[in-house]
Amino acid sequence: DAMVIQNPRYQVTQFGKPVTLSCSQTLNHNVMYWYQQKSSQAPKLLFHYYDKDFNNEADTPDNFQSRRPNTSFCFLDIRSPGLGDAAMYLCATSGPRREQYFGPGTRLTVT
Amino acid sequence: QKEVEQDPGPLSVPEGAIVSLNCTYSNSAFQYFMWYRQYSRKGPELLMYTYSSGNKEDGRFTAQVDKSSKYISLFIRDSQPSDSATYLCAMSEAGNQFYFGTGTSLTVIP
Repeated sequence: DAMVIQNPRYQVTQFGKPVTLSCSQTLNHNVMYWYQQKSSQAPKLLFHYYDKDFNNEADTPDNFQSRRPNTSFCFLDIRSPGLGDAAMYLCATSGPRREQYFGPGTRLTVT
Repeated sequence: QKEVEQDPGPLSVPEGAIVSLNCTYSNSAFQYFMWYRQYSRKGPELLMYTYSSGNKEDGRFTAQVDKSSKYISLFIRDSQPSDSATYLCAMSEAGNQFYFGTGTSLTVIP
């Protein structure tokens, strides 16, 4: 009965090598989010979609891109990962009641 | 000033104790309030959701919202070692943005 699914759970990539993280949801929620979370910090919003309407946070580096081909799926592309991009990446959704549900996260390691 | 303030702890309590976790906020427009539990290296799990003011109880967990004081609390009764985790508060206006506290690390000692 998983509601927000993220793949892979662990990803190792090399410095500068593009990587794509994926998220899917079974909640049929309009809004999907990508957060970056580093150790002992709150999740930091990178961007969100309201349906297909893309909303980028002002301080999200250009290195981070996202795609949402349909309601259920959302992708995070990191074009040229740096060592500072090593983190947990969290996908989340929210519906009309404004409850936000998170996936299990993808832990990204950059070597 | 941050939108949401949360004491990072760490907080350490004996098993069976009552735990009180708190957040304060500055934006009076917040209407939706959530508490998440996050185990190490896992995603946050929604524990409690409250709309506007008042109390909500679910098993050993009680969430309180005091909008006049801009203060929210999570109480855990009969705390268990399995409650050891980081607890994040989050809140939202009517839009799609959520604002998080930095999390409080809790350890329940058997």
